[in-house]
Amino acid sequence: DGGITQSPKYLFRKEGQNVTLSCEQNLNHDAMYWYRQDPGQGLRLIYYSQIVNDFQKGDIAEGYSVSREKKESFPLTVTSAQKNPTAFYLCASSTVKNQPQHFGDGTRLSIL
Amino acid sequence: AQTVTQSQPEMSVQEAETVTLSCTYDTSENNYYLFWYKQPPSRQMILVIRQEAYKQQNATENRFSVNFQKAAKSFSLKISDSQLGDTAMYFCAFMKHGGTSYGKLTFGQGTILTVHP
Repeated sequence: DGGITQSPKYLFRKEGQNVTLSCEQNLNHDAMYWYRQDPGQGLRLIYYSQIVNDFQKGDIAEGYSVSREKKESFPLTVTSAQKNPTAFYLCASSTVKNQPQHFGDGTRLSIL
Repeated sequence: AQTVTQSQPEMSVQEAETVTLSCTYDTSENNYYLFWYKQPPSRQMILVIRQEAYKQQNATENRFSVNFQKAAKSFSLKISDSQLGDTAMYFCAFMKHGGTSYGKLTFGQGTILTVHP
């Protein structure tokens, strides 16, 4: 079945450490997105990519980095510069043309 | 920039009854899309219904329907014959048509809906 796979499901970060969240899709979608979800708040866009080797900052990109070397993959790195990384992270993808986004099951990141 | 506001943090309804969730948005765009997503306790985001702004007819999807009022910038979701499985957080979302921000979703803060037996 086609879908979006996020891993790991749970991740713990030590202070000063960078961690990378994986997102892979086999839907042949051109666009991919990363969102952060905090309690009591909606999803906020971190980064998005509409084609391979190109990506744009979303609303809360500081302290995060991404790459898009393959169409299927859009990993998110939470750097040590992100001082409050504890949150639920959701990856999504869509065809570029006005289609709704499909979401992965998410990764919960916590601080040790 | 677009904003989406859901003014009801929590709602509850009895099984088999009808409930309406509110959403308002602010935009200067004329062409756009609106969505309702459902997030059950499993945290998976599931698309419930979609509305194109250029369509006057309100979208329906089985027990789910919307009341889209473009001039008032209002987009409410009506759930008929509520079921226990409808218990979830519901998000209203806006997507601009075209331009450099193509495909970006702006979400409201969500409404927690609890269906009681």
